[in-house]
Amino acid sequence: DIQMTQSPSSLSASVGDRVTITCRASQGIRNGLSWYQQKPGKAPKRLIYAASALQGGVPSRFSGSGAGTDFTLTISSLQPEDFATYYCLHHDSYPWTFGPGTKVEL
Amino acid sequence: QVQLVESGGGLVKPGGSLRLTCAASGFTFSDNYMLWIRQAPGKRLEWVSYISPDSTTIYYADSVRGRFTVSRDNANNLLFLQMRSLRTEDTAVYLCYYFGKDVWGQGTSVTVS
Repeated sequence: DIQMTQSPSSLSASVGDRVTITCRASQGIRNGLSWYQQKPGKAPKRLIYAASALQGGVPSRFSGSGAGTDFTLTISSLQPEDFATYYCLHHDSYPWTFGPGTKVEL
Repeated sequence: QVQLVESGGGLVKPGGSLRLTCAASGFTFSDNYMLWIRQAPGKRLEWVSYISPDSTTIYYADSVRGRFTVSRDNANNLLFLQMRSLRTEDTAVYLCYYFGKDVWGQGTSVTVS
């Protein structure tokens, strides 16, 4: 099975900061990766699919890049509503696997 | 609008069973594969199961294979998760998920204790 790691596990940032989160797969997954944002008590919300495609309705400050084993989620200018936990999900083959998450805190 | 609503969660003793139901509306349920995802308290999201539109292809996470059974009723737009031999580590919020349009249910809580 493919394992997913994320770094950092948490980070402290301020409004307006540029934030980068990385996700690494234990083997190549082509572009079969999505990024999700989750706030406490809520279902996740997909931000990016196919590694770099912006989900409809998601602000353009979110972007994704990468292919193969290394992927990045970037928030170009952090906004107050962006404080949340972010997960990557590999969906290239079954079983799908989520990363452990990155908590973005003020 | 596109909506998923889960039900069937609750408190059950180890070794017990529960059947979760997810009612879908607002999209052509029978054309789409569906997923179950779960999240234990304070833990990461965990993919649990996949079922193809016609139920011919099914996958399970290693952690539930042999104990959980996913099924669907396309005539009534329903997705099911039959859970047997439940363990304390199955305690989680269970969500059904329509990946194609990123639609999630609100989740149903399962506590095994």
